[in-house]
Amino acid sequence: GQQVMQIPQYQHVQEGEDFTTYCNSSTTLSNIQWYKQRPGGHPVFLIQLVKSGEVKKQKRLTFQFGEAKKNSSLHITATQTTDVGTYFCAGPMTTDSWGKFQFGAGTQVVVTP
Amino acid sequence: DVKVTQSSRYLVKRTGEKVFLECVQDMDHENMFWYRQDPGLGLRLIYFSYDVKMKEKGDIPEGYSVSREKKERFSLILESASTNQTSMYLCASSSLSSYNEQFFGPGTRLTVL
Repeated sequence: GQQVMQIPQYQHVQEGEDFTTYCNSSTTLSNIQWYKQRPGGHPVFLIQLVKSGEVKKQKRLTFQFGEAKKNSSLHITATQTTDVGTYFCAGPMTTDSWGKFQFGAGTQVVVTP
Repeated sequence: DVKVTQSSRYLVKRTGEKVFLECVQDMDHENMFWYRQDPGLGLRLIYFSYDVKMKEKGDIPEGYSVSREKKERFSLILESASTNQTSMYLCASSSLSSYNEQFFGPGTRLTVL
């Protein structure tokens, strides 16, 4: 079956540094979503990417969807302590999934002041 | 303000007990989901419902059942709780639109002794 894999599983970042987390799918995706879960909180939707090669920015966060629509990345510049949390990507389970998504295991981000 | 609520934040049950986890959404969403979240495994889909009385199995339905008698309410039932069902349980809802962002509840941390 379809698999969505995220790397790295853990990311320790010095405040002010940049980092990138990656999401790879075993199948082509019609779209991909990213969520953020703060410690002790629940996942919150960040963004959805639909088009091949699409790049979207939210302040210091840059999301990219691969040309083949099988991978995606999240790049954070000038990391702040507010970026702490776990970032999940999610891809539709099938082309006619009616909204079912396969979540990756997440990248847990720890920021050192 | 959109809202997904879950009946309990913390729950402690004994092995063999029947456990009910309730989820209510106020957004008139068609889709509702139950996930369990375990460290290093991300969010795994237990069951999905796309309409009243309609349900589909997710990746890990064994040991669980669900009920959706009203559009706004989706219940997860552990028929006979076991220690390996100790986990964080997250409910989510989404609309049937192509931009089907999922809204998550605060989660229920279930401990089975």
